[in-house]
Amino acid sequence: QVQLVQSGAEVKKPGASVKVFCKASGYNFASYGISWVRQAPGQGLEWMGWVNTYNGNTYSAESFQDRISMTIETATTTAYMEVRSLTSDDTAMYYCARDKMAISWSPVDYWGQGTPVTVSS
Amino acid sequence: EIILTQSPATLSASPGGRVTLSCRASQSIGDNLAWYQQRPGQPPRLLMFGVSTRATGLPGRFSGGGSGTQFTLTISSLQSEDFAFYYCHQYNKWPRTFGGGTKVEIE
Repeated sequence: QVQLVQSGAEVKKPGASVKVFCKASGYNFASYGISWVRQAPGQGLEWMGWVNTYNGNTYSAESFQDRISMTIETATTTAYMEVRSLTSDDTAMYYCARDKMAISWSPVDYWGQGTPVTVSS
Repeated sequence: EIILTQSPATLSASPGGRVTLSCRASQSIGDNLAWYQQRPGQPPRLLMFGVSTRATGLPGRFSGGGSGTQFTLTISSLQSEDFAFYYCHQYNKWPRTFGGGTKVEIE
């Protein structure tokens, strides 16, 4: 069965970076893109970016373009997302989610359990 | 970026009732619109994609409609497990975006 297992909770100081991983299993990793979505406490969903798990190409939201890096490690079927220059506004639950279809225009269907990131001095 | 505006922000209804949630896109997104349900403490769950195609196992009381820039999600005969947050999501253009959400609460 499809599973996305994310890394554990993180606590970071302002200005630091955080790197979250998303270990995929139960399907052909290279066939389905992975999105990263975050949710601040009590707030809605915010789409951050997407990585093509076949060639590593990425798209990201304008508000994150300079601060995030999304990478993949095909051998271990793992996706990574790093956010740099953290502020308290980056305190949120971070999710990875897999595209439902192996085409460019696809919603996500499977979600990781989420990684809580707290930014505090 | 395509802005998705959901209304209302909160919808109060009774079990057994019927509700319609709205999602308006700032430009045409064809039929590349999905709906997600999120309960407290859980990741979102895909309900509907391609405007009106139900995800596997979704009960028939959920229906989606609309086209272009105006979309709806209707839940007929609300069950206790339907009281949750709902988000629309466009995957027609980069960057993909989510609406701000609608909370369906018990009246």
